[in-house]
Amino acid sequence: SAVISQKPSRDICQRGTSLTIQCQVDSQVTMMFWYRQQPGQSLTLIATANQGSEATYESGFVIDKFPISRPNLTFSTLTVSNMSPEDSSIYLCSVEVGYGVAIEAFFGQGTRLTVV
Amino acid sequence: AQSVAQPEDQVNVAEGNPLTVKCTYSVSGNPYLFWYVQYPNRGLQFLLKYITGDNLVKGSYGFEAEFNKSQTSFHLKKPSALVSDSALYFCAVRAWGRGGGNKLTFGTGTQLKVEL
Repeated sequence: SAVISQKPSRDICQRGTSLTIQCQVDSQVTMMFWYRQQPGQSLTLIATANQGSEATYESGFVIDKFPISRPNLTFSTLTVSNMSPEDSSIYLCSVEVGYGVAIEAFFGQGTRLTVV
Repeated sequence: AQSVAQPEDQVNVAEGNPLTVKCTYSVSGNPYLFWYVQYPNRGLQFLLKYITGDNLVKGSYGFEAEFNKSQTSFHLKKPSALVSDSALYFCAVRAWGRGGGNKLTFGTGTQLKVEL
């Protein structure tokens, strides 16, 4: 299993500013994932972060808007840049543990972002 | 591409009654199915999964789910609901094999409300 700590748990930000969300895992993991959960919608994968390489972004998400750092095997940050009210969401960090069919996903408690 | 549908935004149940939260999926490879629960201000917690074997899968907190290949469904069930079961439930699928990948795809979530 994995225990994930996310900070901050919530924030209210002014439009045009940036917020950096931190994700700390209690064990070393190869990949870390960042999801967005918009009100009334599904979780959407933003990007996958591997240590030592650039993050891989899903369709509709770009590095300039959501820069990600992965300095080591237990930590990652997601920055939401130049925020607008449409960025108001819950942002979730996730890791996957195991191999093949035994792989399991674990999630942080999320960061509830409100942009005003 | 794989997808998950949760046709009900909200399910209301009286405490002590059985509950069902519906989920259907679409994948091109072998499906691996999951249920997660999200309590207010908390991250997603794993409930149960279907990989192979018995179609009836038992998970945490007395929940179970039935895999039905012909109907491509994986409905979540509990014989007797508790008020403390009130939460947001997500169904997810991970496909392996030709045309699939190992990405988790989530449904839009179903809000379960259990009342006295």
